[in-house]
This record gives sequence, structure tokens and C-alpha cells, in this order.
Amino acid sequence: DGGITQSPKYLFRKEGQNVTLSCEQNLNHDAMYWYRQDPGQGLRLIYYSQIVNDFQKGDIAEGYSVSREKKESFPLTVTSAQKNPTAFYLCASGGHSTDTQYFGPGTRLTVL
Amino acid sequence: AQSVTQLGSHVSVSEGALVLLRCNYSSSVPPYLFWYVQYPNQGLQLLLKYTTGATLVKGINGFEAEFKKSETSFHLTKPSAHMSDAAEYFCAVSDPTDKLIFGTGTRLQVFP
Repeated sequence: DGGITQSPKYLFRKEGQNVTLSCEQNLNHDAMYWYRQDPGQGLRLIYYSQIVNDFQKGDIAEGYSVSREKKESFPLTVTSAQKNPTAFYLCASGGHSTDTQYFGPGTRLTVL
Repeated sequence: AQSVTQLGSHVSVSEGALVLLRCNYSSSVPPYLFWYVQYPNQGLQLLLKYTTGATLVKGINGFEAEFKKSETSFHLTKPSAHMSDAAEYFCAVSDPTDKLIFGTGTRLQVFP
């Protein structure tokens, strides 16, 4: 099956901890994206990568970091510097070569 | 700069009634426009998209949207609502670098 997988589905973090959210795609897409979703605010872009070993900040990158060592993988680390990390995080792939972004099932992060 | 406005954060209809979800956009270039649907605690699923060509676009689940350049609109319609249509709907426009700019979403409720 082709698609985008995110893990875990639910994640709980204590204040001061870094956590890493996984995103994998087997659609052979060049571009991958991370979004944050909060109630009533739609989706906001955190980071995106259009090619392996390169990525750019989105609108709300502070307190987050990413890597893109493989075409299939684009993990997101939520660092302790992110002051309000509780949210639903969505990964997507696609963009230039397909003119459409396809989304994973999401990870809900809760800070305890 | 690109932007999207979705009029009405909540829309309620009776089962069998017309569904109309409004989306207006601004874009400095010919836009690519998208409608996505999100069910609770899930990722976004593409309903339909407009890139070029025919301005009336048909999507999945009986939805369609019409691109009206003169009105800068891309409203989503369905002739007859079904209970299973209850979800949140997002309109989006792509910018020249293929990033998506999302509206804040419209939650559709369907009453029996």
C-alpha cells in the first residue's frame, strides 16, 4: 500500500523533554511538510523539505527541528524550547511533482 | 501574498439539504485551489482540486466546486447532505513555491 505513516498516534511528554515524531512515505515524493493544527486556527506550516538534505523553516519553526537524511523520512523533533507544544501534528508529502499534498493520519501530542 | 478566507466556522444542514461551504482566496499568480476534509482525529483527505482547465471541478463523495476568477471564490457544494458528510472542511491555495495556505476550516454538522 502506498501512503504516509505517522507514529505514534498519541504521544505524551513531560515539560522539559524533547520528543520526536516520525513521518514516513512510500509515494516517492520529493517534498515533505510538517503542520501544526490547533482548534480554530487551521493548519500552520512548521518546516518543509523539497529535497533530501535540505529543509526550510515555515511560519512557526521556533522550538522545532527536522532532518531529511532519506527521501522517505522526515522526522520532527519538538524541543523543550517550544512553549506550547500540545497540538495535533500532521505530516504531508507531494507538492511540486504532483501539485497536490497528501496527508498522514497525524500525531496528537499532549504535554503533561 | 496568498491567503484564504472561509466564511462561517460552523455550518449546519438537515440530511438531504444542499451543502454550501464558502471559500474566497487572494493570489498574486493563477491559483491552484484545494478542498480537503478531516474527520475527527484523522489526517486530511483530498476532496477535489482546481489547477487549470474546466472551472467546475467534481470530487469524491458527490462534492463539487466552481472556480470563479471574477469573484475570487472556490465554494464547495453538494446537492444532498448525508450524515456521513459531518466533518471539518478546509480550503487551501498553493503559493508559487508549492506551499499550501489553509483557511481556518468550516465544521459541517448534518442533522437527521
